[in-house]
Amino acid sequence: DQQVKQNSPSLSVQEGRISILNCDYTNSMFDYFLWYKKYPAEGPTFLISISSIKDKNEDGRFTVFLNKSAKHLSLHIVPSQPGDSAVYFCAASAGNTGNQFYFGTGTSLTVIP
Amino acid sequence: AAGVIQSPRHLIKEKRETATLKCYPIPRHDTVYWYQQGPGQDPQFLISFYEKMQSDKGSIPDRFSAQQFSDYHSELNMSSLELGDSALYFCASSSVYDRDIYGYTFGSGTRLTVV
Repeated sequence: DQQVKQNSPSLSVQEGRISILNCDYTNSMFDYFLWYKKYPAEGPTFLISISSIKDKNEDGRFTVFLNKSAKHLSLHIVPSQPGDSAVYFCAASAGNTGNQFYFGTGTSLTVIP
Repeated sequence: AAGVIQSPRHLIKEKRETATLKCYPIPRHDTVYWYQQGPGQDPQFLISFYEKMQSDKGSIPDRFSAQQFSDYHSELNMSSLELGDSALYFCASSSVYDRDIYGYTFGSGTRLTVV
């Protein structure tokens, strides 16, 4: 049972425009959410996170929005750059003492120069 | 800054052999997670440790075992290897004290190929 879902397997955006990646979850116990960037044959690289007490977190060009009532989060990248092209995973966890975090299925972002 | 170190980076084993993968977390991190990612698949959680005790368990086969040592590094032991065990194995570490700020840090993974 997929507790974290990314319904768009791929996304193409022009350089300089906004990229919006979406993620839905089903478990209301999740209290911590993350976005990762991943290149083939490498481990994921942490991008940005948000805890359930917030609805927005910004870090440079990356902003994550959390809508708890809709069980939905999104990652905004503005402006998008060709180097942002990668697979993006969202992940969620409940608790903070070693509980597993659940990955979404990933969205492959291509930023077109 | 120090990152999560995994060794070896690449490993080739024959069927029915054993393999040991190692993960060295970031200093002061108290939690280690192991994930397996097959080709074209989502990462699958195997097992995690918090303060040297097993914390959570996922789809780890009985042929696999893991532990976290006193220096917080962790080892994943895999026996009776099967072709289907070929995957990228990556570990992540975190600290309960600042996870909400820094999240989880991943290693680059160990690429295991079983032939």
